[in-house]
Amino acid sequence: DVKVTQSSRYLVKRTGEKVFLECVQDMDHENMFWYRQDPGLGLRLIYFSYDVKMKEKGDIPEGYSVSREKKERFSLILESASTNQTSMYLCASSGHLYEQYFGPGTRLTVT
Amino acid sequence: KQEVTQIPAALSVPEGENLVLNCSFTDSAIYNLQWFRQDPGKGLTSLLLIQSSQREQTSGRLNASLDKSSGRSTLYIAASQPGDSATYLCAVLVDSSYKLIFGSGTRLLVRP
Repeated sequence: DVKVTQSSRYLVKRTGEKVFLECVQDMDHENMFWYRQDPGLGLRLIYFSYDVKMKEKGDIPEGYSVSREKKERFSLILESASTNQTSMYLCASSGHLYEQYFGPGTRLTVT
Repeated sequence: KQEVTQIPAALSVPEGENLVLNCSFTDSAIYNLQWFRQDPGKGLTSLLLIQSSQREQTSGRLNASLDKSSGRSTLYIAASQPGDSATYLCAVLVDSSYKLIFGSGTRLLVRP
């Protein structure tokens, strides 16, 4: 079974802090994704990566950056957290059939 | 621009009923379509993946169909159970793209 894990289920940070969200997949997938999910807005793609050290902006990249130094790990970075970044963050990965598998999510609260 | 719509937004049925969830998309140029389940506060669980060349996929009590020409997919759940209560999302992968376009979901409640 594909397994996608995220470093934290719940996270509380202060405005202005630098925040790292980590995602690891164990299926040797080429593609990895970061989404955020908000009530009424659905899932929105922040960034994705189709290879190590390759990344592309999704629909809402502002205020975020990513890092993919190893194939199995994809990190989302909030350089200076703001209250409007309070959300559920979901990581996903996909292989050659493009079926996406999601992690359990990280509920981030920025106060 | 591809848009994905799911109807109804919410559905409440008694246990044991067979039910159909609907998904429609505006552009038939899709690579595949995926159905997911999401429990409150959790991530998405992949239920079924239908490639663009396929008409249907089955897994246990679930059957998903795809009609590209009409831009429609249905998820059929047989003999529903309270444990099926969740939000069901469909998503299409646009040709030559990595991006999944999601519908807004159908929130299902199966009453004991």
